[in-house]
Amino acid sequence: DTEVTQTPKHLVMGMTNKKSLKCEQHMGHRAMYWYKQKAKKPPELMFVYSYEKLSINESVPSRFSPECPNSSLLNLHLHALQPEDSALYLCASRRGRTDRYNEQFFGPGTRLTVL
Amino acid sequence: KNEVEQSPQNLTAQEGEFITINCSYSVGISALHWLQQHPGGGIVSLFMLSSGKKKHGRLIATINIQEKHSSLHITASHPRDSAVYICAVSPRLGQKLVFGQGTRLTINP
Repeated sequence: DTEVTQTPKHLVMGMTNKKSLKCEQHMGHRAMYWYKQKAKKPPELMFVYSYEKLSINESVPSRFSPECPNSSLLNLHLHALQPEDSALYLCASRRGRTDRYNEQFFGPGTRLTVL
Repeated sequence: KNEVEQSPQNLTAQEGEFITINCSYSVGISALHWLQQHPGGGIVSLFMLSSGKKKHGRLIATINIQEKHSSLHITASHPRDSAVYICAVSPRLGQKLVFGQGTRLTINP
């Protein structure tokens, strides 16, 4: 299994809703990432988990709450989002810490629309 | 100035043409990545390289570490190659990728 899966593929939510995005990989990777991508822009890093611990938070608003329950699973909990949070949310994973394992594997993304 | 610069930003070509996309970077890196993203889709990693040249099918990626420059070539281009191609670098000892702005490639039949 050499892929990163993300669910759901599409999500429409209101500003008062609570929802979650899910990302899963079974490659034994120990680093997992959340990115946000707006149209015609490169991905912007949001969070990095390394060995199930949050190692990077790129000053993301608290309405986005990441969670890494185990080494294969990464969640992004969403609450009280704004319309400008509508974007493609990408998950990625990487094998480990050292330079040799720098390749990131990306999931297909969840397209989020906030009404 | 961005740490990773790609050129051109947009490229339109006819089917069968040889395509070159360039990437220059200004930081020390451990690896450079070429990524592909089809419209509305997720990202696929095409190459990760730290020296020399790699080939996969009709795609070739080269890197010159001294000049801090990489190129992605597509031979015998096809309309299904139409996508955004993103160059990204892994700075030394870092966990983050630094992305270029992407090159939007359109191949017309």
